[in-house]
Amino acid sequence: NAGVTQTPKFRILKIGQSMTLQCTQDMNHNYMYWYRQDPGMGLKLIYYSVGAGITDKGEVPNGYNVSRSTTEDFPLRLELAAPSQTSVYFCASSWIGGRVQPQHFGDGTRLSIL
Amino acid sequence: QKEVEQDPGPLSVPEGAIVSLNCTYSNSAFQYFMWYRQYSRKGPELLMYTYSSGNKEDGRFTAQVDKSSKYISLFIRDSQPSDSATYLCAISNFGNEKLTFGTGTRLTIIP
Repeated sequence: NAGVTQTPKFRILKIGQSMTLQCTQDMNHNYMYWYRQDPGMGLKLIYYSVGAGITDKGEVPNGYNVSRSTTEDFPLRLELAAPSQTSVYFCASSWIGGRVQPQHFGDGTRLSIL
Repeated sequence: QKEVEQDPGPLSVPEGAIVSLNCTYSNSAFQYFMWYRQYSRKGPELLMYTYSSGNKEDGRFTAQVDKSSKYISLFIRDSQPSDSATYLCAISNFGNEKLTFGTGTRLTIIP
């Protein structure tokens, strides 16, 4: 049972480059989330999705885009990489069908913008 | 005022000690309380989940919620070096699919 899988695990980008962080889950969860984690700052929500075709902004969406064409996949796109986007990015998923359910996380993508 | 406050530590205790980790929150509408454990270079993993006041026990771990004081705690008994990690509290309210996380407390258990 893979759970939430993120690729790549590490990446170095130059300022202005673009890239897509991949996330896939095999738990048939309807909700998926993207967070960034900076030292001492906790987890900040970037975007989330309540189901295929539906996405919404979180706390820190600027500079990012998302799409959700299938239940399983929720890629995060950085269009013009900036040094402020150096962070660890986590994807998570959960099943929401009444009572709030815990989120399950991937192991993250460590991104450096130089 | 932040919605969730958590002492970032770091906290170092000897092996076998009882560890107490705490969070306070400001919104009385919060009803769901979780503790996540995060090892270095790994994603957070769910440790405890409760939606009521009182205590919930799972092995060496006890989660305690005091809604009247807006205070949640995680106790670790007979702490082991393998418990060394960052512990994050997370809370939510009914109908809200988003979690609010504390900043995390870094814990080291010294053999």
